Amino acid sequence: GESVGLHLPTLSVQEGDNSIINCAYSNSASDYFIWYKQESGKGPQFIIDIRSNMDKRQGQRVTVLLNKTVKHLSLQIAATQPGDSAVYFCAETMDSSYKLIFGSGTRLLVRP
Amino acid sequence: KAGVTQTPRYLIKTRGQQVTLSCSPISGHRSVSWYQQTPGQGLQFLFEYFSETQRNKGNFPGRFSGRQFSNSRSEMNVSTLELGDSALYLCASSVSAGDDEQYFGPGTRLTVT
Repeated sequence: GESVGLHLPTLSVQEGDNSIINCAYSNSASDYFIWYKQESGKGPQFIIDIRSNMDKRQGQRVTVLLNKTVKHLSLQIAATQPGDSAVYFCAETMDSSYKLIFGSGTRLLVRP
Repeated sequence: KAGVTQTPRYLIKTRGQQVTLSCSPISGHRSVSWYQQTPGQGLQFLFEYFSETQRNKGNFPGRFSGRQFSNSRSEMNVSTLELGDSALYLCASSVSAGDDEQYFGPGTRLTVT
């Protein structure tokens, strides 16, 4: 069953293309950021994280960029696949806190 | 290693009733957090427990409460249910600290009629 909002911004990409999902975070004191992927009927799944002392971090097919000046986070997915179709959330927190603050999410649709 | 498990997966309750949801963290994880997910408000933090103590709490009314047991399993309770409490309730566990990777369970879908 559905587990996320009905009016999320949607990014539609062709299979094989690169995807870029953006997020504006809220707290300039946040020092730890995470991207999550949520598929229908499932809980969020960790993709990649980054700390505030970095501006770029790469994983397998994914890259996260952090711009603290404008409080902006982006997730780049290389060679997007149908299995990447999901809702993507950014989350922020401070090391002193155990509370994740989530963005509103972006729905990624991959066209075959 | 088994993931985070939540029971029940689906629940239907009537306004005014109370409900208890259960979460079993990954073995060895001592921190358990709870989140509410709705279409209107998105994912919102409820509270976090570590070693049976609540370390942080979100902005929810006192009708929402939780606890953690010595084996790290956690329960959350909602009393005097309102229609607006209908949501997906997610539990996440991590080893200990706030910046440890949090692993989410599949959630409990609560419908209040």
